[in-house]
Amino acid sequence: EIVLTQSPATLSLSPGERATLSCRASQSVSTYLAWYQQKPGQAPRLLIYDASKRATGIPARFSGSGSGSDFTLTISSLEPEDFAVYYCQQRSSWLTFGGGTKVEIK
Amino acid sequence: EVQLVESGGGLVQPGGSLRLSCAASGFTFSTYWMHWVRQAPGKGLVWVSCINSDGSITGYADSVKGRFTISRDNAKNTLYLQMNSLRAEDTAVYYCANIALDHWGQGTLVTVSS
Repeated sequence: EIVLTQSPATLSLSPGERATLSCRASQSVSTYLAWYQQKPGQAPRLLIYDASKRATGIPARFSGSGSGSDFTLTISSLEPEDFAVYYCQQRSSWLTFGGGTKVEIK
Repeated sequence: EVQLVESGGGLVQPGGSLRLSCAASGFTFSTYWMHWVRQAPGKGLVWVSCINSDGSITGYADSVKGRFTISRDNAKNTLYLQMNSLRAEDTAVYYCANIALDHWGQGTLVTVSS
């Protein structure tokens, strides 16, 4: 089973700041890596798929990079609605999710 | 409009069984892999199981292998999860999802407690 480790667990930032979230896989997942956003009481929403492709309707301030075992989600300038929990997910071998990074208001 | 509507959750005693259903509409259900994902209260997302379009291939997380069984009825556009030998740690909201299309249900809560 492929394990995804996200860091940091919590990121405290102010609106307008840049957020950088990390996801590391226990073995290579090529570019079969996605990022999701989840807000309280809601189902997850896909942001990025195949490591760097933005899903339909996702603002350009969200970008993904990486391949193999190391991946990054960057939010270039945080908007108030971006404060949420973010999960990475791999589909190289079945599915697994990372433990999540909470982006909170500083 | 795409809809995934889960049902069948509730309170069950440890060791008991429950069957979840997920009724799909608004897309060609029979052509997609489908997944169950769960989320314990205040915790992260955990993939549980998946099934291919015709039901011939299934996959399970190690934590539920041998206890849970995923199945589907393409004639009824419905996905199922049979959960046996339930444990307290299975307590969670269970989502059905079409990961490829990013369609998720609203979730159904399963509580395992005496």
